[in-house]
Amino acid sequence: SQTIHQWPATLVQPVGSPLSLECTVEGTSNPNLYWYRQAAGRGLQLLFYSVGIGQISSEVPQNLSASRPQDRQFILSSKKLLLSDSGFYLCAWSPQGARDEQYFGPGTRLTVT
Amino acid sequence: DAKTTQPNSMESNEEEPVHLPCNHSTISGTDYIHWYRQLPSQGPEYVIHGLTSNVNNRMASLAIAEDRKSSTLILHRATLRDAAVYYCILRDVRTSGTYKYIFGTGTRLKVLA
Repeated sequence: SQTIHQWPATLVQPVGSPLSLECTVEGTSNPNLYWYRQAAGRGLQLLFYSVGIGQISSEVPQNLSASRPQDRQFILSSKKLLLSDSGFYLCAWSPQGARDEQYFGPGTRLTVT
Repeated sequence: DAKTTQPNSMESNEEEPVHLPCNHSTISGTDYIHWYRQLPSQGPEYVIHGLTSNVNNRMASLAIAEDRKSSTLILHRATLRDAAVYYCILRDVRTSGTYKYIFGTGTRLKVLA
């Protein structure tokens, strides 16, 4: 069966520090991968999606970047965090060409102080 | 991009049916209607999806209006574990074959014992 992992589960970082969040998927190959952010009390905002290694599409201009160095690994990064980067970050995957659901990871709660 | 409109919150008594409405008046002919729910501090989980016909699964039923401009998620017997934020989402089909979800703010369902 397929599983999706995210780490760390929680993170507290000072403003201006770098960020690296990792997501890995097991039990499938060539998945579509997604990064979402959820600010407190808000809905989910799609940040990035990827259809293959090295292929990243950005949905909104921001202080963040994403990379996909391996088929089932998706990394969210920042060189310098802002207070507004605080939120709940969720990684998700879907099978290539899927016409139904996305599967979400457990999320990383990031607090920028 | 087509958007959805949902009530911010609803309440239901335990063991009673719940009808969660969603308006999507600008839906396109190829947009699928998806429902996800999110428990506190967790990632969203898939509930159900449909295109034109009503759909049933073990979790819920989805009733889609004939003009597809609205839909209703039906929980047949609400339990305390159904308390969550429910998202109605239109799946945006991209020419690349990637499917992007546009999340709104959802409906927070409170189930009363």
